Amino acid sequence: SQKIEQNSEALNIQEGKTATLTCNYTNYSPAYLQWYRQDPGRGPVFLLLIRENEKEKRKERLKVTFDTTLKQSLFHITASQPADSATYLCAFGGYQKVTFGTGTKLQVIP
Amino acid sequence: SQTIHQWPATLVQPVGSPLSLECTVEGTSNPNLYWYRQAAGRGLQLLFYSIGIDQISSEVPQNLSASRPQDRQFILSSKKLLLSDSGFYLCAWSVAAYNEQFFGPGTRLTVL
Repeated sequence: SQKIEQNSEALNIQEGKTATLTCNYTNYSPAYLQWYRQDPGRGPVFLLLIRENEKEKRKERLKVTFDTTLKQSLFHITASQPADSATYLCAFGGYQKVTFGTGTKLQVIP
Repeated sequence: SQTIHQWPATLVQPVGSPLSLECTVEGTSNPNLYWYRQAAGRGLQLLFYSIGIDQISSEVPQNLSASRPQDRQFILSSKKLLLSDSGFYLCAWSVAAYNEQFFGPGTRLTVL
């Protein structure tokens, strides 16, 4: 069955450093990947979408890569700030619906 | 601009009682609509999705049902709640399947 996996362990990094989150998928070839941010007690908020024919996408301090050979997407936050602390979810799209990973909790330490 | 509403924000219900959660979207037409459940410390589980009125697909067999009585209204229901139904319920919409999803504020359901 289709699976999407994110590192379930929390990621702690120092303020100012680059945070890198990993998303792997198996048994599927998604047309696109999405990344969301979720704060405690809130619904996820969309950040970036990258299509299978795109290698990289950027938005301000965020960068997403999509490697269809490795079946992996990397999500980078440069110059991280404490306000970036949240859970980050990746999701891949299929026909009519999206499948979400379990998310990785990022803690940026001042 | 588009907005999505969910209510109630929190709900505490006894086992065996009925459930009705409502979601409405404003500022768009014919959206794709989704119901998710998120258990504590877990990922988002897709429960139902709808691409139009009376077009609802169920992802997980369970004691929940969904209806879409109007274009921008999506309702999640149960006749008898189970303890395992506790969780954070999220409604979302998108323009189409391949577009980003916009989530509502969620309903925290506790079944006792």
